[in-house]
Amino acid sequence: SQTIHQWPATLVQPVGSPLSLECTVEGTSNPNLYWYRQAAGRGLQLLFYSVGIGQISSEVPQNLSASRPQDRQFILSSKKLLLSDSGFYLCAWSRIGDQPQHFGDGTRLSIL
Amino acid sequence: GDSVTQMEGPVTLSEEAFLTINCTYTATGYPSLFWYVQYPGEGLQLLLKATKADDKGSNKGFEATYRKETTSFHLEKGSVQVSDSAVYFCAASNFGNEKLTFGTGTRLTIIP
Repeated sequence: SQTIHQWPATLVQPVGSPLSLECTVEGTSNPNLYWYRQAAGRGLQLLFYSVGIGQISSEVPQNLSASRPQDRQFILSSKKLLLSDSGFYLCAWSRIGDQPQHFGDGTRLSIL
Repeated sequence: GDSVTQMEGPVTLSEEAFLTINCTYTATGYPSLFWYVQYPGEGLQLLLKATKADDKGSNKGFEATYRKETTSFHLEKGSVQVSDSAVYFCAASNFGNEKLTFGTGTRLTIIP
């Protein structure tokens, strides 16, 4: 069966510090991968998605970036965090050309 | 572009009450439709899905029917429990099945 792992589960960072969140999928090959952000009490905002290694589509221009160095690894990064980057970050995967998406447990990011 | 509109909430019901959460969509072609549930502090879990008109998705006592004529996918449950308290998201796939468009979510609270 397929599983998705996100870490860390919680993170507290100062403004201006860098960020790296990691997501890995097991039990499947060549998945579509997604990063979402959920602000407190709000809906889901798609940040990035990837249909293959090195292929990243950005949905919302901001100071975040994503990379896919391996088939089942998806990384969300920032060089300098802003207060507005606080939120709950969710990684998800789906089969190529298919839905639904399956979500990880999320990372709660607090910026001080 | 594609969009999903769902009942704003929050919704508060007594245990054993009947639940309806409305969801309508606009999309190119005939999307697949989904309901996800998010329990406090967790990621999203797929609750049910329907891939074509008149399909009925069901799980854990919840049901939703894909109505092409009204472009709707309303979530229903005949008798809710306290454990159903969560945020519910309606979602629709895009034409190429690469992405999901989510509604804003409906917070449901069931009181004993």
